[in-house]
Amino acid sequence: ETGVTQTPRHLVMGMTNKKSLKCEQHLGHNAMYWYKQSAKKPLELMFVYNFKEQTENNSVPSRFSPECPNSSHLFLHLHTLQPEDSALYLCASSQGRRGVPAKNIQYFGAGTRLSVL
Amino acid sequence: SQQGEEDPQALSIQEGENATMNCSYKTSINNLQWYRQNSGRGLVHLILIRSNEREKHSGRLRVTLDTSKKSSSLLITASRAADTASYFCATDALTDSWGKLQFGAGTQVVVTP
Repeated sequence: ETGVTQTPRHLVMGMTNKKSLKCEQHLGHNAMYWYKQSAKKPLELMFVYNFKEQTENNSVPSRFSPECPNSSHLFLHLHTLQPEDSALYLCASSQGRRGVPAKNIQYFGAGTRLSVL
Repeated sequence: SQQGEEDPQALSIQEGENATMNCSYKTSINNLQWYRQNSGRGLVHLILIRSNEREKHSGRLRVTLDTSKKSSSLLITASRAADTASYFCATDALTDSWGKLQFGAGTQVVVTP
């Protein structure tokens, strides 16, 4: 166990559905990340939160909406997705420092395998 | 284009053999990390090498870094079937902001008994 838990592990949704992915970390970290991993492609960073503030939005479509209520929890709200959004969504955390870029080792959850029909 | 690019894309070896994979990157970095991913799972950090280091060891892993060539290599010695996984390099660019790691597409390693 890495200390980062993602739920659900698998999700199948239609293009008109609304669903949410959840990530929880028990490591006392204060930086959390969402990544998208598609087959044969590098990991794509989607969002970064440091001390609950969003510090990176990597040109992600608005159908993906992140939420970080506290340093331990991160959500990714999904609505009106497209089939090309099918991928493995990974959450990670690291020990960020206020005022200093969080250039540290990242700890990943097992991911949510999302299929959009 | 991606910051880190691994080579080869896939590698198939037998148990006991060594596995070597390479990573090239484009911009100046603070450090470079290697991660491992078992099929359908999250990434697990293996080793970090700083830009002022040239070589680092951890168990059966040996990492080298050549900042003049903007490249790194990961060597797994005496491989085991359990080493079957995808391996990714990740760079932490000097100019990037919060916790932004750039990952390559990975090298898929298969170790057969």
